[in-house]
Amino acid sequence: DSGVTQTPKHLITATGQRVTLRCSPRSGDLSVYWYQQSLDQGLQFLIQYYNGEERAKGNILERFSAQQFPDLHSELNLSSLELGDSALYFCASSVGEVWENNEQFFGPGTRLTVL
Amino acid sequence: SQQGEEDPQALSIQEGENATMNCSYKTSINNLQWYRQNSGRGLVHLILIRSNEREKHSGRLRVTLDTSKKSSSLLITASRAADTASYFCATLGTYKYIFGTGTRLKVLA
Repeated sequence: DSGVTQTPKHLITATGQRVTLRCSPRSGDLSVYWYQQSLDQGLQFLIQYYNGEERAKGNILERFSAQQFPDLHSELNLSSLELGDSALYFCASSVGEVWENNEQFFGPGTRLTVL
Repeated sequence: SQQGEEDPQALSIQEGENATMNCSYKTSINNLQWYRQNSGRGLVHLILIRSNEREKHSGRLRVTLDTSKKSSSLLITASRAADTASYFCATLGTYKYIFGTGTRLKVLA
């Protein structure tokens, strides 16, 4: 158990809908990262927050947004869902920022299925 | 294309044998990390090697890094059935991690 929690575990929804994925980092970790893992694209970095502020952006679509709250939990919002958004979404956390050689701890993931 | 490319894509060995997987990357890095992922589950950090390090050990794991060739290798010695998983390298470029495509390792009992 990494100490990172993600809810829900599974999510099934329809195209065009909007969903929110939630992540609670390990106690004491200030950075939260979101990743998308799909069969055809592999594991893609989406976005990182550090202590409430956006720090780095990867391949995140404009239909997706995220935020980190004062209690350090984070939410990833996915809107106007398309079939291709079906994937495993992982949250990871670290004490500091990864470019300071910090290890990331991954949550168990949320499996999103868009029908 | 992926920054990190693992090779081979899949590897099947007998329990007790050693498993070697390689990772190549394209740009300068601050560090390189190896992760393990059991089917459909979260990634587990195995080892981090900094750009100024050449070799690192952790238990049955040995990682090497050759920055001149932009490559790294992960060696798992005396493999066990429980080592069956996908293994990913992750390189830290400018403010983001890029994960490779992974090597699927199967250890046969």
